Amino acid sequence: GAVVSQHPSWVICKSGTSVKIECRSLDFQATTMFWYRQFPKQSLMLMATSNEGSKATYEQGVEKDKFLINHASLTLSTLTVTSAHPEDSSFYICSAKSSLRSSYNSPLHFGNGTRLTVT
Amino acid sequence: AQTVTQSQPEMSVQEAETVTLSCTYDTSESNYYLFWYKQPPSRQMILVIRQEAYKQQNATENRFSVNFQKAAKSFSLKISDSQLGDTAMYFCAFRGDKLIFGTGTRLQVFP
Repeated sequence: GAVVSQHPSWVICKSGTSVKIECRSLDFQATTMFWYRQFPKQSLMLMATSNEGSKATYEQGVEKDKFLINHASLTLSTLTVTSAHPEDSSFYICSAKSSLRSSYNSPLHFGNGTRLTVT
Repeated sequence: AQTVTQSQPEMSVQEAETVTLSCTYDTSESNYYLFWYKQPPSRQMILVIRQEAYKQQNATENRFSVNFQKAAKSFSLKISDSQLGDTAMYFCAFRGDKLIFGTGTRLQVFP
């Protein structure tokens, strides 16, 4: 089946530093990838939609300058948390949609998530 | 904007029994998909079942089935013969141009 690899699975960084999270589709091409954030015991909140070769579309309230998204190839999207602060500590999950399937019936494949802790 | 509501923060059921998780949604779109995802403690998102909005027949996947009421915008999940491994967070999700999740229901299956 379709596999999405997310790396790292966990990271601890100091306040003020930047952290990059990678999301790779291993056996399929993904025109579109989605980035979610999940706080403890809460739901997944969509942060942005990442489209290969174009700018990401951010959800309302998400700072595009703080959460930089790059989707430079059909198999890789990255999320960079810039100047991280303790309130950015969360679980970040990516998902990818195969380019071969139509929009609505194409299942999304999820990465295993990244637990970010900012000290 | 689409919204997805799960009114049951927590549910519990005894092993081998049946439990139903509720979900309602709001949208003006006519073409969409609905999903139930399971998130165990490992935090991996696992697709349980999906329903195409244009299909009247309720989807079924082994012990999992849905009751899809399009006019009422309701999409409940029924788990039959509950197993200990079903213990997890369950999220209802709406898929139009993007996938939006409900707030989740924590299901505990007791022996």
